[in-house]
Amino acid sequence: AQSVTQPDIHITVSEGASLELRCNYSYGATPYLFWYVQSPGQGLQLLLKYFSGDTLVQGIKGFEAEFKRSQSSFNLRKPSVHWSDAAEYFCAVGALYGGATNKLIFGTGTLLAVQP
Amino acid sequence: DTAVSQTPKYLVTQMGNDKSIKCEQNLGHDTMYWYKQDSKKFLKIMFSYNNKELIINETVPNRFSPKSPDKAHLNLHINSLELGDSAVYFCASSLWDRGLGDYGYTFGSGTRLTVV
Repeated sequence: AQSVTQPDIHITVSEGASLELRCNYSYGATPYLFWYVQSPGQGLQLLLKYFSGDTLVQGIKGFEAEFKRSQSSFNLRKPSVHWSDAAEYFCAVGALYGGATNKLIFGTGTLLAVQP
Repeated sequence: DTAVSQTPKYLVTQMGNDKSIKCEQNLGHDTMYWYKQDSKKFLKIMFSYNNKELIINETVPNRFSPKSPDKAHLNLHINSLELGDSAVYFCASSLWDRGLGDYGYTFGSGTRLTVV
């Protein structure tokens, strides 16, 4: 069965420091992978996605993620964190349903806190 | 010009009541979804409609009934509300995809349902 694991429930980093949020997935075929961000009281915003091709994908707000098939991972990175990046981050895999990829399976999220 | 809009944003109601949450998208998408986010922030799909046809129905109590009058609207009706129904409900939309090409969801900002 498809699943997504985000091992870190809560991470605190200092403003200006680098960030890496971990995501591991379980999926039988080539996965469609996503990172979403949820600010307090807000909906989910798509940061970036991977379908195929270059394994390093660039997203909005200076985020990037690298797909590593051998490790079943899709970790999110940012070289320098800003205080406004404090939010909940969700990794998700697009799962096949009825022959098409139209169901997202989410990880449990990582809450990012940013210290001044 | 909100892309996916949900109403109401907040809903407080007593146990046993019946309530509805409305969702509308103006993106020209043909597939809409309801996701539930529980108190631990875990997101799980409930339903999905493609061109008004139900295509995903996860293990959800019969008290929950989605209705899609057209492909731009997907409403969620809940009968006999229980305390455990308290959660944030997210509507989302996308273009149906046969496994290739661009794919992603656009989420609404959520409806926080509190049952007392």
